[in-house]
Amino acid sequence: EIVLTQSPGTLSLSPGERATLSCRASQSVSSNYLAWYQQKPGQAPRLLIYGASSRATGIPDRFSGSGSGTDFTLTISRLEPEDFAVYHCHQYGSSHTFGQGTKLEIK
Amino acid sequence: QVQLVQSGAEVKKPGASVKVSCTASGYTFTSYDINWVRQATGQGLEWMGWMNPNSANTGYAQKFQGRVTITMNTSISTAYIELSSLKSEDTAVYFCARRLIRGEKYFDLWGRGTLITVSS
Repeated sequence: EIVLTQSPGTLSLSPGERATLSCRASQSVSSNYLAWYQQKPGQAPRLLIYGASSRATGIPDRFSGSGSGTDFTLTISRLEPEDFAVYHCHQYGSSHTFGQGTKLEIK
Repeated sequence: QVQLVQSGAEVKKPGASVKVSCTASGYTFTSYDINWVRQATGQGLEWMGWMNPNSANTGYAQKFQGRVTITMNTSISTAYIELSSLKSEDTAVYFCARRLIRGEKYFDLWGRGTLITVSS
């Protein structure tokens, strides 16, 4: 099973700042099949990024994904108030596993 | 409106079984697999299994083999997950999520979740 480790566990930033979230895999993710989701309290996860770097429909361009192999990054270029949430990475190249999540909170 | 609507919260006793439903609307049900993912309070997401509505093929995470069953009624665009021999550790929010059958296997639409509480 591929284990995904997200860091940091919690990230405290202010609106307007840049956020960089990391997701590291215990082995290479096949075809870079790596997705990112945003989840707000009491809500379902929302797909942001798939294939490591492709934005899902309707996702603002301040969200970008990068990386390959075992190291992946989600970047939010300028934080908006609605961006403060929990972010999950998900590999779907070999069955399915998720990271433990990164909580992005307002500083 | 494209959505997945799940059944309501339930409280179960240890050793019992629970069945959660997920009804799709606004899209062609047979174009997408349905997957089930759970999330215990304060924890990450955990994939449980999937089902193809055309072939009725299923796949389950090894952790849940023998204890979980996913079924569908395609005539009403509804998927179900049944978990048996419940333990307190099964207390979690259970999500259904769709995945395009002919495409990459990410989940592009999720239900809002069903809270299952296991308590004596």
